[in-house]
Amino acid sequence: KAGVTQTPRYLIKTRGQQVTLSCSPISGHRSVSWYQQTPGQGLQFLFEYFSETQRNKGNFPGRFSGRQFSNSRSEMNVSTLELGDSALYLCASSLVGGGNDGYTFGSGTRLTVV
Amino acid sequence: GQQVMQIPQYQHVQEGEDFTTYCNSSTTLSNIQWYKQRPGGHPVFLIQLVKSGEVKKQKRLTFQFGEAKKNSSLHITATQTTDVGTYFCAGLPISGGYNKLIFGAGTRLAVHP
Repeated sequence: KAGVTQTPRYLIKTRGQQVTLSCSPISGHRSVSWYQQTPGQGLQFLFEYFSETQRNKGNFPGRFSGRQFSNSRSEMNVSTLELGDSALYLCASSLVGGGNDGYTFGSGTRLTVV
Repeated sequence: GQQVMQIPQYQHVQEGEDFTTYCNSSTTLSNIQWYKQRPGGHPVFLIQLVKSGEVKKQKRLTFQFGEAKKNSSLHITATQTTDVGTYFCAGLPISGGYNKLIFGAGTRLAVHP
């Protein structure tokens, strides 16, 4: 079966711009979680969506937002980009979510803010 | 806040030697998961442990969940160069509802042939 697809793979943006990242989960998976990975901070939880509802949220500013569509595809948006937002953004899908079953991660979107 | 600490941060071994990484949580966990991330790759799910004192094996990998469900370990016997990568534990704190999986900082394993 197809894995988790994240697009785009790479992005270079300028400070102040906004960006939208996309994630298509494994077919049948209704939970999509987003993580930010940086060398210094490891994997930091952004938010989780399940059946189009945000079920949980991490400690990120309001510039970070997301949504999930009826086909379970999810997008995350970062507005007013800052240099510190440069990171690998990973999307993870699972059947049940909420950390109750294993996650399948996508290859990630590497965002560079200049 | 809830934390999952993982040690060591980095370990390099000679091929054939054993390797162990440890994970400790500040709170009791409902389950603990282990992931492996190869250099330049993304985390890949290895296993989930749920029961107190649980031990599971996958070929040369042995996973343990502590009796108090606050700690866990991953042991690799006779490492190979294919074992290179970062191993993350991720714990789910016990709660009444859905919670966030909290990742440890990872242990980066280097294997010298």
